[in-house]
Amino acid sequence: GENVEQHPSTLSVQEGDSAVIKCTYSDSASNYFPWYKQELGKRPQLIIDIRSNVGEKKDQRIAVTLNKTAKHFSLHITETQPEDSAVYFCAALGGADGLTFGKGTHLIIQP
Amino acid sequence: KAGVTQTPRYLIKTRGQQVTLSCSPISGHRSVSWYQQTPGQGLQFLFEYFSETQRNKGNFPGRFSGRQFSNSRSEMNVSTLELGDSALYLCASSFRGGDTEAFFGQGTRLTVV
Repeated sequence: GENVEQHPSTLSVQEGDSAVIKCTYSDSASNYFPWYKQELGKRPQLIIDIRSNVGEKKDQRIAVTLNKTAKHFSLHITETQPEDSAVYFCAALGGADGLTFGKGTHLIIQP
Repeated sequence: KAGVTQTPRYLIKTRGQQVTLSCSPISGHRSVSWYQQTPGQGLQFLFEYFSETQRNKGNFPGRFSGRQFSNSRSEMNVSTLELGDSALYLCASSFRGGDTEAFFGQGTRLTVV
């Protein structure tokens, strides 16, 4: 089945700086890659997603890039703000396994 | 429109007991997926139901089962509970599963003692 690795597990950045979270996947048939944000005590919420026929997608301060050849995708957050502090999960959809999630990145925005 | 609703929010059970969790999806959504969330393992896929049929299944023992009703509401059952089953159980609904956006419920926090 699909296996998704996510790095780093914790990321601390200064407010206003950029943050990058990286994920790799194993199943070359995977074709959908969503990113979820989970604030403390709350449910995960989709923040951006990308399909395998696209290399990059942007939504205001958030962007995701996908390299199908290398089987990795990344989340980029620019001009970070305190409300960006949360746990971020990447996921990949492939085969019959449903969505396979990475183990999460705890993003800390330092004032 | 109403979001995904999970009941109960919290449960405490004893080892060996069984438990049933409920998930009401967003109106019009036919796919419901279940996930187990633990600090060490993150979010792990349990199974997906679509139109009352199990469509996908993760790598969990047979003690974990589920079903979906004609109104798309879904239940998850765990029999012979073990201490390691303590976790947050999340369900997510989407229009048709696959690459359509999944909306999560607040989860049910299960503690096995």
